[in-house]
Amino acid sequence: DIQMTQSPSTLSASVGDRVTITCRASQSINRWLAWYQQKPGKAPKVLIYKASSLQSGVPSRFSGSGSGTEFTLTISSLQPDDFATYYCQQYNSYSVHFGQGTKLEIK
Amino acid sequence: QVQLVQSGAEVKKPGASVKVSCKASGYNFTNSPIHWVRQAPGQRFEWLGWINAGNGYTKYSQKFQGRVTITSDTSATTVYMELSSLRSEDTAVYYCARDGGWELLCFDYWGQGTLVTVSS
Repeated sequence: DIQMTQSPSTLSASVGDRVTITCRASQSINRWLAWYQQKPGKAPKVLIYKASSLQSGVPSRFSGSGSGTEFTLTISSLQPDDFATYYCQQYNSYSVHFGQGTKLEIK
Repeated sequence: QVQLVQSGAEVKKPGASVKVSCKASGYNFTNSPIHWVRQAPGQRFEWLGWINAGNGYTKYSQKFQGRVTITSDTSATTVYMELSSLRSEDTAVYYCARDGGWELLCFDYWGQGTLVTVSS
């Protein structure tokens, strides 16, 4: 089984800050990685697919990078609406695995 | 617009089964697989499996193989997930999600979630 590990688990930041979340896979997953944002009581929303492609309608302050086993999600300038929990997801037609999540809190 | 609307919350006793529905609209139902994932309190998302809504082919997570059954009704554009032999650890919010295909390799639309509570 592929293990997905995110860091940090919690991140405190202020509006306007630049933040980066890391996701590591236990084996190479090429660029088959997506990032989701989830707010309390809501379903997740996809932000980034195939490691670095921005989903339609998602603000350009979100960006993704990486390949193989190490990936990052960067928010260039935090906005009040961005305080939420972020998950990475590995996907192929045989299995799907998620990271444990990173909760982004207001400092 | 694409919508996935799930059935309402369920309370079940240990050992029972639960069947959750996911009604799809706004796109060609047979063109996109549907996945089921769950999120237990304080836990990461767990993937249960997926179905090709057009031909009924399924793939299940090894962890849930033998306990989960995913089916589709093309006339009703609805996918169902049934989980049997429920135990307290199955208490979670269950989501259906549309597969974005080879172009996206992610889940591009999600249902609103269905809370399943297993309690004696």
